[in-house]
Amino acid sequence: DVKVTQSSRYLVKRTGEKVFLECVQDMDHENMFWYRQDPGLGLRLIYFSYDVKMKEKGDIPEGYSVSREKKERFSLILESASTNQTSMYLCASSLWAEKLTRYGYTFGSGTRLTVV
Amino acid sequence: QKEVEQNSGPLSVPEGAIASLNCTYSDRGSQSFFWYRQYSGKSPELIMSIYSNGDKEDGRFTAQLNKASQYVSLLIRDSQPSDSATYLCAVMSGSARQLTFGSGTQLTVLP
Repeated sequence: DVKVTQSSRYLVKRTGEKVFLECVQDMDHENMFWYRQDPGLGLRLIYFSYDVKMKEKGDIPEGYSVSREKKERFSLILESASTNQTSMYLCASSLWAEKLTRYGYTFGSGTRLTVV
Repeated sequence: QKEVEQNSGPLSVPEGAIASLNCTYSDRGSQSFFWYRQYSGKSPELIMSIYSNGDKEDGRFTAQLNKASQYVSLLIRDSQPSDSATYLCAVMSGSARQLTFGSGTQLTVLP
């Protein structure tokens, strides 16, 4: 089974801190994604990456950046955490084309971030 | 207009009944469709994918796709309290390499 591992299940950070959320997948997936999920707003795409060193903005990239130095690892960075970034953060990965068609995304277990 | 629409619910059904969850999408070029289940505080997990018109069955779950009408549905037969969760519909369009998610339907199965 594909495993997508997020480094922390719960995090509490202070306003203004730089926050790193790590995501590692172990099945050689090309595509990796970062979402945040808030009640009533559903899943919102922050950033995604189709290859090492590649990154593309999603729907809500403001206040975030990402890094993909290795194929298996995709990091989300909150440059200066704010209270409105309190949320559940979900990492996902997938294969290309026919495999994506068949298997969709695999999600990590999520990181619930609270910014105080 | 949202690209993938779901009724937010909550939808309540009695134990043993059929739960019917619906999803409509706007992109006629959409190719593949997915249903995810998400328990409270957990991450989404894939239940089924479907890409051909018609029905696809997997145990108590049946996905139905009608591309002409641009809707996809999920039927859960013999609903159990353990089916209580939020169900997310996701769509892969022809040109995109990613999924677009609906906001989910919350299902409660009453014992």
